[in-house]
Amino acid sequence: GQNIDQPTEMTATEGAIVQINCTYQTSGFNGLFWYQQHAGEAPTFLSYNVLDGLEEKGRFSSFLSRSKGYSYLLLKELQMKDSASYLCAVMDSNYQLIWGAGTKLIIKP
Amino acid sequence: DGGITQSPKYLFRKEGQNVTLSCEQNLNHDAMYWYRQDPGQGLRLIYYSQIVNDFQKGDIAEGYSVSREKKESFPLTVTSAQKNPTAFYLCASSDHELHTDTQYFGPGTRLTVL
Repeated sequence: GQNIDQPTEMTATEGAIVQINCTYQTSGFNGLFWYQQHAGEAPTFLSYNVLDGLEEKGRFSSFLSRSKGYSYLLLKELQMKDSASYLCAVMDSNYQLIWGAGTKLIIKP
Repeated sequence: DGGITQSPKYLFRKEGQNVTLSCEQNLNHDAMYWYRQDPGQGLRLIYYSQIVNDFQKGDIAEGYSVSREKKESFPLTVTSAQKNPTAFYLCASSDHELHTDTQYFGPGTRLTVL
């Protein structure tokens, strides 16, 4: 079966750095997405990786290793507004998105 | 402003009633999707449509129906056959012309069946 694993919850301090991991086992691979979702709101797109390596976008970076079935989202200079759930999703061989359950990130002052 | 709209934001219905959730997009996207989100679970695909007048079942289509008569609109009907309809429903769209095929979401409808 297809599976996306990410930690249920993480806590970090304002101004610090946090890394949210995602491992996947899917039927084929056509890219990995990270979304941010604030409570009660819609997911918003953060990043897309299809090749191995690091993609940097401001305070957020996303890394992919296809051979290891592994990705992480790195958030730097954490702000209180970064408190949200972070969803990892993989596009399989049928171009369908397989979603992880999300990681709830709690930022403390 | 281009985007995806869903209405209403909150919806209450009595058990046994059908209810239709609307989803409209003005992004000129060909593909549209309906997901259901429950606490502690990943998004689950209900139905998707890649072109007008065509749609396919997702992983949890039982108890739901859709139509795609216009490119802009993809309404979802939650029927009385859906055993546990209380959930957060998300509509999304994507542009197949872009190789990333990134999905963009509407604000969601929270359905509560009493």
